[in-house]
Amino acid sequence: EVDLVESGGGLVQPGGSLRLSCAASGFTFSSYTMNWVRRAPGKGLEWVAYISSSSSTIYYADSVKGRFTISRDNAKNSVYLQMDSLRAEDSAVFYCARTRIAADDNKYYYYMDVWGKGTTVTVSS
Amino acid sequence: SYELTQPPSVSVSPGQTASITCSGDRLGDRYTCWYQQKPGQSPVLVIYRDSSRPSGIPERFSGSNSGNTATLTISGAQAMDEADYYCQAWDSSTYWVFGGGTKLTVL
Repeated sequence: EVDLVESGGGLVQPGGSLRLSCAASGFTFSSYTMNWVRRAPGKGLEWVAYISSSSSTIYYADSVKGRFTISRDNAKNSVYLQMDSLRAEDSAVFYCARTRIAADDNKYYYYMDVWGKGTTVTVSS
Repeated sequence: SYELTQPPSVSVSPGQTASITCSGDRLGDRYTCWYQQKPGQSPVLVIYRDSSRPSGIPERFSGSNSGNTATLTISGAQAMDEADYYCQAWDSSTYWVFGGGTKLTVL
């Protein structure tokens, strides 16, 4: 069974750091790109970061650029999100998601087909 | 930056058809997908590539995309379809873009 399990969330003070992990199982992890997505209380889904299968391509949302770092270890079937300089507005449930990119006649489509259950990050003093 | 706009809420009676829109500049030139998220649960992909359904998603879910608007249609809405729905597209500058979400109420 295909599964993603996030861990590492918790309570941290403003300015602090956390490292989230996402363990994948049931599929060939090294063949898939991955995303982190969050949902803050009372808000909608917000994309956070993307990493390609070989880590050669990485993107960040402007809201986290320079503070968050995405990485992966294909030998451990895991993707990570290092979060530094955390702010109150980073409080959210963080999800990792398996990501698909394909094309029809050179027109690409992008979607996230498998999601973990999420891990909660609370930034508060 | 690229933005997608959804109505905050949509209401439908059981058994009727619900339509949720997603607007963006020339959105029809891009492929769009849709996610369903119920309270306390993680998002579930219900439509990708504008109108394709993943396995396990009921046939009552369908999608279309043309001009500046993509639409998720739920034909014969059921109480179990009550959820937040998000559209998503990809932009070369903003990358993965979500709409603000639409709360679907079935009553």
